[in-house]
Amino acid sequence: DADVTQTPRNRITKTGKRIMLECSQTKGHDRMYWYRQDPGLGLRLIYYSFDVKDINKGEISDGYSVSRQAQAKFSLSLESAIPNQTALYFCATSDATSGRVLYNEQFFGPGTRLTVL
Amino acid sequence: AQSVTQLGSHVSVSEGALVLLRCNYSSSVPPYLFWYVQYPNQGLQLLLKYTSAATLVKGINGFEAEFKKSETSFHLTKPSAHMSDAAEYFCAVSGKKSGYSTLTFGKGTMLLVSP
Repeated sequence: DADVTQTPRNRITKTGKRIMLECSQTKGHDRMYWYRQDPGLGLRLIYYSFDVKDINKGEISDGYSVSRQAQAKFSLSLESAIPNQTALYFCATSDATSGRVLYNEQFFGPGTRLTVL
Repeated sequence: AQSVTQLGSHVSVSEGALVLLRCNYSSSVPPYLFWYVQYPNQGLQLLLKYTSAATLVKGINGFEAEFKKSETSFHLTKPSAHMSDAAEYFCAVSGKKSGYSTLTFGKGTMLLVSP
């Protein structure tokens, strides 16, 4: 099945460490997104990318950076992790090539649970 | 800017009872609206979406939602709850920024189903 995968699924790290979360998809979608989920706050958009050369900041990009290495890969980095970045992180994809961009159905990966001590 | 408000962080129902999860939106342009479900330890899955074709939208697992422009609402309902419906539900609106290609989510409503 075409899918969205995230690695690692769980990660515990220490304050100040650099960490990278990876997302890969086999759906052939051009658009990819990174969200964080915190209890009681829902999902908030960190970064999104419409293709390899198009990266955009979302609602809460401070402290994060991203890299779109290929159409199928979109990585999220925390250059110097801090405890309030402890959260559940989701990658998502959507397909604009079919002409249905306005419907923007997004497909989510299983998430990465990150704990910063 | 668009926003979504979900009334009630937790909703409890008995198995077989009506499920009603409330969502109100704010948008300066005609919105596209979505309901997603998140089962424990999983990612989000689309339940249904409103794309202006019909105000009553039917989704998976017996859920439906009605778009009411006058009330700026998009409430999710299911006539009879099942234990397997226990999950967290998120309402989302598609943003005008970047051509409606971003979503703004509500804070979520946890649905608890008791036997």
